[in-house]
Amino acid sequence: DGGITQSPKYLFRKEGQNVTLSCEQNLNHDAMYWYRQDPGQGLRLIYYSQIVNDFQKGDIAEGYSVSREKKESFPLTVTSAQKNPTAFYLCASSAGTGGEQYFGPGTRLTVT
Amino acid sequence: DQQVKQNSPSLSVQEGRISILNCDYTNSMFDYFLWYKKYPAEGPTFLISISSIKDKNEDGRFTVFLNKSAKHLSLHIVPSQPGDSAVYFCAASGTGGGNKLTFGTGTQLKVEL
Repeated sequence: DGGITQSPKYLFRKEGQNVTLSCEQNLNHDAMYWYRQDPGQGLRLIYYSQIVNDFQKGDIAEGYSVSREKKESFPLTVTSAQKNPTAFYLCASSAGTGGEQYFGPGTRLTVT
Repeated sequence: DQQVKQNSPSLSVQEGRISILNCDYTNSMFDYFLWYKKYPAEGPTFLISISSIKDKNEDGRFTVFLNKSAKHLSLHIVPSQPGDSAVYFCAASGTGGGNKLTFGTGTQLKVEL
């Protein structure tokens, strides 16, 4: 079955620690994206990558970092510089030529 | 600056009736619009899309209407079913935007028996 996998589903960290969220896709999509969702808000774009070894900042990139070493994988690191890291994080991918994005199941990160 | 707006945070309709969810946008460069459905603690699921060269697109019970002059689109669900109860997000992308999507804040639809 083709799809997007995010792990883990729930993640707990102490303040001051970096944490990396996993995103893998087997859809052979060129483009991948990271969003965060906060209560009462829409999805906000953190980073996106249209091709391997290349990525761009989205609207709220501060405190986050990404890498795109393989087409299938786009991990997101939430650093200690991110002031409000507790959120629901969603990874998506698209064929890259326009059109819909397909989302993974999300990771709920709680930082205390 | 909210470029995609869903002004109704919630909507309640009876089973079998029509649900109409609305979305407004401000960016004239947007030329592709999508609707997603989202259940709690899950990723959004793509429902239907429309290109700016069209004013209507249908897929089963779902129809999206686009009024470019008013910068307004709507999603019609008919007949509404209890399983349609979810949060619906409107999203838009524009030429040269690298397929970036800008999302609205969502409308919680509740379909009551």
